[in-house]
Amino acid sequence: EAQVTQNPRYLITVTGKKLTVTCSQNMNHEYMSWYRQDPGLGLRQIYYSMNVEVTDKGDVPEGYKVSRKEKRNFPLILESPSPNQTSLYFCASSLGPGGTEAFFGQGTRLTVV
Amino acid sequence: GENVEQHPSTLSVQEGDSAVIKCTYSDSASNYFPWYKQELGKRPQLIIDIRSNVGEKKDQRIAVTLNKTAKHFSLHITETQPEDSAVYFCAASDREYGNKLVFGAGTILRVKS
Repeated sequence: EAQVTQNPRYLITVTGKKLTVTCSQNMNHEYMSWYRQDPGLGLRQIYYSMNVEVTDKGDVPEGYKVSRKEKRNFPLILESPSPNQTSLYFCASSLGPGGTEAFFGQGTRLTVV
Repeated sequence: GENVEQHPSTLSVQEGDSAVIKCTYSDSASNYFPWYKQELGKRPQLIIDIRSNVGEKKDQRIAVTLNKTAKHFSLHITETQPEDSAVYFCAASDREYGNKLVFGAGTILRVKS
């Protein structure tokens, strides 16, 4: 089954404790991206990757890192989480950046206290 | 870069009535306009999309119209049903930034039975 898998689904952490949210897709998509969803703000892109070892900042990259060592995986790293990073996070993949359907993961609800 | 505005932020309709959600975009070079539906606690999923060379597209009870001159596009849902209750996001491709998708803030649609 074609899918995008994120883990964990829920995470509560403390300020400053490094964390990683994993994302994996099995559709051989080249383009992957991370979004955060906040009430009234829609889906805002954090980082994206056009292919292996090619990543770039989205609209709200501050406080986040990503890597793309393999085509299928695109982890999101918060080196020193802060309470303003409390949000719902989605990973997505698609054949290309635009003009094709984006497939979303199940979401990760992150709370930073 | 692209900016997408979506209205209304919430919409309540009676079952069987029609619902219309409107989005405006800023970049006349944008050429791809998808609509995503997000049910409560679930991931966003594509329901319909339209490209700039088409003025209207229909899929059963849903349709999307595009007015390139006015730079706006709309989602139309006819004969609404309770299962149509969800958050709907419009998006537009940002040609300046590799065609990445820029999302509207979302519309909460409630269908009352």
